[in-house]
Amino acid sequence: GAGVSQTPSNKVTEKGKYVELRCDPISGHTALYWYRQSLGQGPEFLIYFQGTGAADDSGLPNDRFFAVRPEGSVSTLKIQRTERGDSAVYLCASSFRQGEAFFGQGTRLTVV
Amino acid sequence: GENVEQHPSTLSVQEGDSAVIKCTYSDSASNYFPWYKQELGKGPQLIIDIRSNVGEKKDQRIAVTLNKTAKHFSLHITETQPEDSAVYFCAANEAGTALIFGKGTTLSVSS
Repeated sequence: GAGVSQTPSNKVTEKGKYVELRCDPISGHTALYWYRQSLGQGPEFLIYFQGTGAADDSGLPNDRFFAVRPEGSVSTLKIQRTERGDSAVYLCASSFRQGEAFFGQGTRLTVV
Repeated sequence: GENVEQHPSTLSVQEGDSAVIKCTYSDSASNYFPWYKQELGKGPQLIIDIRSNVGEKKDQRIAVTLNKTAKHFSLHITETQPEDSAVYFCAANEAGTALIFGKGTTLSVSS
């Protein structure tokens, strides 16, 4: 498909474990964003890539969260030592120019 | 940084009525204002956007207005239908920064 693809769609992990969430952006989109959405809330900004580099990582809540985009396309959000409070839907979006960000379906992370 | 406030948090209308959702933003440098619709279990879907050089934009039953002086923008849906029921989010940013979202409005259209 031509849209943003996120895998897995659901992830259940035990407290303290490490998880990786993957995002395949729309082909040709240079900007990629990660957001976190809790129930009943708007998407909360985590990190923004322009090409391979993180242009703004000010939304990452702490050093347990890290994201990479080594070739300027696919991105992986990594969470170490997961906590129950990390449970949320993690959304990825991509865009070609300012704005017009297109979102994937999200990964629902549940930490038990 | 940018802060976006959205009102109301819930909105119930009868089918055929109009619905209006309002947002304010704090950063005068913001110049792009999209609106997203999110259905249960899905990611947000871009439905309309407006840039700061335009005061109003319309697409069929949906319109957005922008007042840069007052730093607020609104979404107008006319002739609402049950399939318009969803959560709507406004957002704002300037070039080179990430979109900052409001907390959302749950719209319910009853037939």
